[in-house]
Amino acid sequence: GAVVSQHPSRVICKSGTSVKIECRSLDFQATTMFWYRQFPKKSLMLMATSNEGSKATYEQGVEKDKFLINHASLTLSTLTVTSAHPEDSSFYICSARDGRGQETQYFGPGTRLLVL
Amino acid sequence: DAKTTQPNSMESNEEEPVHLPCNHSTISGTDYIHWYRQLPSQGPEYVIHGLTSNVNNRMASLAIAEDRKSSTLILHRATLRDAAVYYCILSVSGGSNYKLTFGKGTLLTVNP
Repeated sequence: GAVVSQHPSRVICKSGTSVKIECRSLDFQATTMFWYRQFPKKSLMLMATSNEGSKATYEQGVEKDKFLINHASLTLSTLTVTSAHPEDSSFYICSARDGRGQETQYFGPGTRLLVL
Repeated sequence: DAKTTQPNSMESNEEEPVHLPCNHSTISGTDYIHWYRQLPSQGPEYVIHGLTSNVNNRMASLAIAEDRKSSTLILHRATLRDAAVYYCILSVSGGSNYKLTFGKGTLLTVNP
């Protein structure tokens, strides 16, 4: 199956700093990428949908100024958590949809963020 | 969004078949049925998806009811590595509106 990578796999930062997470599709072009967050023992919650070359579409309740998403190329999307606070600590997961319009999403391994 | 209902948990024995049910009574005609699974601290893994006909791949089979209001994921011979949370999801189809909304899923325990 298609491979999606995320970097870093885990990050610890101080409160008030910004953290950037990268999501790459390694063997296919992804016109659409998605960002999710997951709290312990909970399901994945979609944060935003990112289309290459255009602004991301955020789900209700997700602050676009806090979670900056950039999808500058067909293989890379980034999520920047700005002015992180302890409540932003979570497991962030990206996924990518094949540009050929297939129905399947391929997920990255996730990034564990801990804000102290 | 069309929603799905799954049992919170199921248990099976190693090397036995497992049938994971999913109800989706409000499914629309263009919604695909997807199954993903997730191990702890990992991203979800694609298992299978279908629209109307039953589907088979190397991981599992997907049986879709004739009225499409329910489906069953079939693992033919469960192994310990199949222990995971299994999510049944309907894709909100329609070009730019496509997205997957995860529910709580079914926690599958496989006994040795």
